[in-house]
Amino acid sequence: GNSVTQMEGPVTLSEEAFLTINCTYTATGYPSLFWYVQYPGEGLQLLLKATKADDKGSNKGFEATYRKETTSFHLEKGSVQVSDSAVYFCALSGDKIIFGKGTRLHILP
Amino acid sequence: DTAVSQTPKYLVTQMGNDKSIKCEQNLGHDTMYWYKQDSKKFLKIMFSYNNKELIINETVPNRFSPKSPDKAHLNLHINSLELGDSAVYFCASSQDTVTSANEQFFGPGTRLTVL
Repeated sequence: GNSVTQMEGPVTLSEEAFLTINCTYTATGYPSLFWYVQYPGEGLQLLLKATKADDKGSNKGFEATYRKETTSFHLEKGSVQVSDSAVYFCALSGDKIIFGKGTRLHILP
Repeated sequence: DTAVSQTPKYLVTQMGNDKSIKCEQNLGHDTMYWYKQDSKKFLKIMFSYNNKELIINETVPNRFSPKSPDKAHLNLHINSLELGDSAVYFCASSQDTVTSANEQFFGPGTRLTVL
């Protein structure tokens, strides 16, 4: 069946550091891929998505590229801020949406 | 305007009690979901309804029963609460079924604590 694997956290970085959160998937067919973000005390909200191979999703300085050859959808940001501290979920859609286990990100000022 | 709302936000109750969580969306979406998030932030889908019809029913104890009176509402009733039911429960909605890659909109969550 379909599955999503993302790097375990927590990830702790200093402000303005470069961020990568790895996400790989296994799936039949051609799923869409998503990154959701959950800020403390809130529900998840969509950060970005890509619906086909080589698509790049981007939002709020975050980017992720749908790589079919490596079955990956890694999340990157060039310069993180304290306000980016949250839990990040990689997800894919097939017959139902499947979420990764989440990666907690701490940004230190 | 709140897109997906849940009540209550916090729920503290004794083992063995019956409780309900309500969810409403004002986005005009056809599909609604219930998720359970444990203390490690792992998110698990429980149920999904499309136009008031149940379409996803994961392996969830029979004590959990969703009810959708109309497509804007999806309530979750839990009988005979157990300690292991303590978690944050999220309601979500999307335009239609997930295979069309539509974004899911989440409510703020209901933190259930069973004592």
